[in-house]
This record gives sequence, structure tokens and C-alpha cells, in this order.
Amino acid sequence: QVLLQESGPGLVKPSETLSLTCIVSGGSISNYFWSWIRQPAGKGLEWIGRVYGSGTTNYNPSLKSRVTMSLDTSKNQFSLKLTSLTAADTAVYYCARRTNGFYGMDVWGQGTTVTVSS
Amino acid sequence: QSVLTQPPSVSAAPGQKVTISCSGSSSNIGNNYVSWYQQFPGTAPKLLIYDNNKRPSGIPDRFSGSKSGTSATLGITGLQTGDEADYYCATWDSSLSVWVFGGGTKLTVL
Repeated sequence: QVLLQESGPGLVKPSETLSLTCIVSGGSISNYFWSWIRQPAGKGLEWIGRVYGSGTTNYNPSLKSRVTMSLDTSKNQFSLKLTSLTAADTAVYYCARRTNGFYGMDVWGQGTTVTVSS
Repeated sequence: QSVLTQPPSVSAAPGQKVTISCSGSSSNIGNNYVSWYQQFPGTAPKLLIYDNNKRPSGIPDRFSGSKSGTSATLGITGLQTGDEADYYCATWDSSLSVWVFGGGTKLTVL
């Protein structure tokens, strides 16, 4: 059974950079699409971007200038960096997996709450 | 404003059937597969339907998905109080090059 676990700081100051990691256990990180999705309190889901097992990335154009995603196959984990944070970036951040050839995110992390505040 | 449009809420009695619609365009639903997610408060979304109408292992056949043109529908039969949750549709948008989600629909089982 594949499990995803997000980790990172719960509180970040405005203008700083958020760094989150998603650890993949119980399966390989290769040959899958790994996404970051966020959800502000009481609101809907927003896709931030994805990294494929080869390292190829796609980012949401609305966040592209501030987002970097990467993959570390040796540690079986992938990461998100989001720069120039504002209060609008306060949300629960989820990592999720999509299998190549299947159109749905079948494995999700439990989510980590990030608050941007001074 | 979400790219995919869902009704904010739906309701039905236990044992009844409910459908949740998801409306998009040719750049998303019209030319890509749709997936559906169930989310309980304080928990991560859970995949209910992928590839328009397929259920992952463990999802009961009370849940079904369909797609026609630029709209998709999630159906839930034999409603249970435990089905009360938020439901989201999602697909790839080929024009925007992003995964897009509907705004979510809150299901109340009266």
C-alpha cells in the first residue's frame, strides 16, 4: 500500500519561501505523476503543479513564477518550493499521485496546514 | 470562479439517488477524462471515479460516473448518512495546461 506523508513548517512569514516535502512509502516514485494541491479553509481545491518520475514538471500558470518542484528518487520523495508568500497562500497543502495512463489522483497525503503570518 | 461548474449543494433522503453535475468546456471535460473525489471535513480527498466512469478497488457500485459532451455527472444510489461530504470533479484543461477542479458540491442526506 502506497502512503504519502507531507512535511514542512506550519507557519511561514510573509515574503518568505515555503518548502514542503512529500515522502512516498510502499512504492516507487518512478513512472507516476506527483502533484501538489492546496485548499484554503472552507474553499475548493487548487492544483499547484506536478512532477513526473523523470523529473519533468508542469505548473499552474497562476503560480508558475513562484513555484519549483523536484524529485529525489534516492530518497523516494518529492518537494515543493513556493516563494514570496502572502496570506493568500495560507491553506492545507496535499501531495497526490496519478498513475500514467489513468486519469485520477488515486493516492493522497493527509495534508499539512500552512499559515502565512508574521 | 472555478473552470468547472458544480452546484454548491444537493440533498436527498436516505435510500434515494442523487446526481451531481459538473459542467466544463471543450478544452477540459470535452476532450479529457473526468475524475470525482469525496472529501469529509478535515480529511484528504478520496478518489471515487477515474477515467469518467471507472471505480477504484474498494469503491462501492453505488457510485457511478458518466460524461456527455462537456458535462459529467456523479451518481450515488442508496444514499446513506455516511455519504454526507463534499464532492469534487476534476480534469485536465488542455488550453490552460492545468488540472482543474470544480468548486465542490456539499451533499446532505436528510
